[in-house]
Amino acid sequence: GAGVSQSPSNKVTEKGKDVELRCDPISGHTALYWYRQSLGQGLEFLIYFQGNSAPDKSGLPSDRFSAERTGGSVSTLTIQRTQQEDSAVYLCASSLGLAGETQYFGPGTRLLVL
Amino acid sequence: GQNIDQPTEMTATEGAIVQINCTYQTSGFNGLFWYQQHAGEAPTFLSYNVLDGLEEKGRFSSFLSRSKGYSYLLLKELQMKDSASYLCAVKNTGGFKTIFGAGTRLFVKA
Repeated sequence: GAGVSQSPSNKVTEKGKDVELRCDPISGHTALYWYRQSLGQGLEFLIYFQGNSAPDKSGLPSDRFSAERTGGSVSTLTIQRTQQEDSAVYLCASSLGLAGETQYFGPGTRLLVL
Repeated sequence: GQNIDQPTEMTATEGAIVQINCTYQTSGFNGLFWYQQHAGEAPTFLSYNVLDGLEEKGRFSSFLSRSKGYSYLLLKELQMKDSASYLCAVKNTGGFKTIFGAGTRLFVKA
C-alpha cells in the first residue's frame, strides 16, 4: 500500500486477555518501529526492527510485551495478560533504514483495557 | 539519563510567527526531528537536522545547535490548521532508537 497500515484501528479487551496488534509497513522499508502514546503524552519507544531482527528491545515495558517481524515486512506486537495501564494508542512507523531517516507513521491502534 | 524538554502549550495569532524550543540531553546524537501531530492522528514528518544551522522549508524552519543541545521550530504566517502538537525527537548514535519529547500543543487563534 501507499502508507503504513495498522489493524485493528480500535480494540477493547478485558483485563487479563491477550491482544495482538498488526503493522504493515511501507513496501521496501527495512526499519520498523513500535511506539506507545498515552492520552496527552509524547511517544514512548517500545522496539525497533531492522529486517526481521530486533537490535533494540529496551523500550518494552515488561515481559508481557513481545513483538516479531516476518519476511522483513509485517510485524505483530503482542501484549499478554493485559492490564488497564496498557490502555494507549500503539503506533507503528517504518523507514528506509540506513538509506533514509524519516519515519512514516501508521494511524495507530487504540487499545482500551477494561 | 535521556531527556527532551519542550514547552507544554503555546498560543499564537493567525498570521503571526511562533518559535517552539526544544532542549535535549541524550546518550549520543544522530539527528533531531520535528513532527506535527493533529489530535487523534498519527505524527507526520516536518524536518530533520543533523548539522548545526537553519533548515528552511516553506513556512516551517528548524534550527539546531549541537553544542547547546538546542533546537527550535519556527512557523511563519500561522494558519488555523497549524493548531496541533509539535514533537521534538532525537535519534541516538549507532542505532535507530528515537527519543520523543512530550510535545508542544500549539493553539492558533483568529
